Amino acid sequence: LAKTTQPISMDSYEGQEVNITCSHNNIATNDYITWYQQFPSQGPRFIIQGYKTKVTNEVASLFIPADRKSSTLSLPRVSLSDTAVYYCLVGAPLAQGGKLIFGQGTELSVKP
Amino acid sequence: EAGVAQSPRYKIIEKRQSVAFWCNPISGHATLYWYQQILGQGPKLLIQFQNNGVVDDSQLPKDRFSAERLKGVDSTLKIQPAKLEDSAVYLCASSLVAVEQYFGPGTRLTVT
Repeated sequence: LAKTTQPISMDSYEGQEVNITCSHNNIATNDYITWYQQFPSQGPRFIIQGYKTKVTNEVASLFIPADRKSSTLSLPRVSLSDTAVYYCLVGAPLAQGGKLIFGQGTELSVKP
Repeated sequence: EAGVAQSPRYKIIEKRQSVAFWCNPISGHATLYWYQQILGQGPKLLIQFQNNGVVDDSQLPKDRFSAERLKGVDSTLKIQPAKLEDSAVYLCASSLVAVEQYFGPGTRLTVT
């Protein structure tokens, strides 16, 4: 299973764009990159998933370079409510028997 | 659509006592997971069910932890006897299409 490395914490201000980068040098060919968000006293929540290039949804964008050894979660114009822990996960899709292996995550603090 | 339900939300017990947690997944979700999340860490998978069969319990401490999913719907996770290091949040998740897992709010267990 590919190991991921991401910053332990990040600070930002309301209205800014936040980019959280995750390194996964040993990613396998059939691995996908998935990001989850966790608020205090809640379970994690799926944000976005991608395999290569760029994926965008109503919440975030995920940028994956050609070598797939890293990925960047981009949160546009963050608000105070985006303060949470963000987890980068790499592994086979659940449909192929993959599991969610959570690391320590990045604690994002958004200030007014 | 109702989310994953868990109860109780909080539990305080003394070491060597037993405790049980209950989970009701989202209707129709065949796959159910139990995770343990220790403070400051990401969730760790304990056991995965597909309908009422166990798919993966490799990280379940079987000498003290047990889980069942009768009739392929609700599930219970039991700890007997509890140790101090079992203090954590126990998260239940379920999935249908194998892209994302939906997590419940968790049960916070404190063992004194």
